[in-house]
Amino acid sequence: EAQVTQNPRYLITVTGKKLTVTCSQNMNHEYMSWYRQDPGLGLRQIYYSMNVEVTDKGDVPEGYKVSRKEKRNFPLILESPSPNQTSLYFCASSLGDRGYEQYFGPGTRLTVT
Amino acid sequence: EDQVTQSPEALRLQEGESSSLNCSYTVSGLRGLFWYRQDPGKGPEFLFTLYSAGEEKEKERLKATLTKKESFLHITAPKPEDSATYLCAVQAPVGNTGKLIFGQGTTLQVKP
Repeated sequence: EAQVTQNPRYLITVTGKKLTVTCSQNMNHEYMSWYRQDPGLGLRQIYYSMNVEVTDKGDVPEGYKVSRKEKRNFPLILESPSPNQTSLYFCASSLGDRGYEQYFGPGTRLTVT
Repeated sequence: EDQVTQSPEALRLQEGESSSLNCSYTVSGLRGLFWYRQDPGKGPEFLFTLYSAGEEKEKERLKATLTKKESFLHITAPKPEDSATYLCAVQAPVGNTGKLIFGQGTTLQVKP
């Protein structure tokens, strides 16, 4: 089944404790992206990747890191999480960056206390 | 500034009562307009892509249309299982971010 998977689905952590949210897709998509969803603010792009070893900032990159060492994986790293990073996070992938629909993962609900 | 506005914010319908959701957009050079369905606590599920004014797409009880300034998602004879938040997004050509600019969504509730 074609899908985007994320782990963990739920995470409660404390301020400053490094964490990684994994994202994997099995559709051989070149483009991958991370979004966060907050009430009243909608979905906002954090980082994106056009292909292996090619990543760039989206609209809200502060406090996040990403890497793209393999085509299928695009982990999101929070080196020192803070409470304002409490949010619902989605990974998405698509064939390319222009005009292609993006397929979203199931989401990771992160709470930072 | 590229912007997407959806209306209404919330819509309550009786089962079988048809209606339309609106998505107004301002973007410099549209690469695509996308409709998604999102159930609570889940990821957006892709429904349609529209690329040019006049284009229409259908899937079961849903039909999406596009003009130069807005898109409509028509729901014909909805059922309770159509209850969800419907998101509209555009992809703008500025830069190569592939970023989707989302509206705030319309939360649809269909009562039996």
